[in-house]
Amino acid sequence: AQTVTQSQPEMSVQEAETVTLSCTYDTSESDYYLFWYKQPPSRQMILVIRQEAYKQQNATENRFSVNFQKAAKSFSLKISDSQLGDAAMYFCAYRAQYGNKLVFGAGTILRVKS
Amino acid sequence: DTEVTQTPKHLVMGMTNKKSLKCEQHMGHRAMYWYKQKAKKPPELMFVYSYEKLSINESVPSRFSPECPNSSLLNLHLHALQPEDSALYLCASSQDRLAGGFTDTQYFGPGTRLTVL
Repeated sequence: AQTVTQSQPEMSVQEAETVTLSCTYDTSESDYYLFWYKQPPSRQMILVIRQEAYKQQNATENRFSVNFQKAAKSFSLKISDSQLGDAAMYFCAYRAQYGNKLVFGAGTILRVKS
Repeated sequence: DTEVTQTPKHLVMGMTNKKSLKCEQHMGHRAMYWYKQKAKKPPELMFVYSYEKLSINESVPSRFSPECPNSSLLNLHLHALQPEDSALYLCASSQDRLAGGFTDTQYFGPGTRLTVL
């Protein structure tokens, strides 16, 4: 069975600085999808970024980028120029290529200091 | 527009009540999902509907009864709940190009915060 591990329960970052959230996963599949979701205090789950495993190029969305290391099964999220609105719980998630199920990590709480 | 709506936002019910949660999307998605989420925990999948048919039931107690009346709507009927069922209930939807097969990114609604007294 696939598993997703987020080893950092909490992280802090100063406003305008850069922070990296870690995620590792375990799978025997060769094709799959990885996601980062953000859940602010309002508790709406918001898609931050999506990566297809067959693509070697790392996904980027404005200030958010990933470092996808397929061989190491690592999928970290880098947030540049952190803003107060980035404060949230961040979940890393895995989905097999053919399937409906998202496998979530335990989450990382990100605090942004002004 | 990647919007999934859920009503109500908050619900308080007694253990003998019957209530329903509603979810709606107009993105043409054919897969819809119910999740349960406790505070500071990841969402737990409850049910998946694919082309209006129940495709996954994660061994959810029968006091939770899902219904998919059409491709845009998803309901969760609640009856005789327990206090431990208090949680945030999230609905999500995604494209489903093959029934029960490939699905695309899941988009979540804002959730219904349920309290069972």
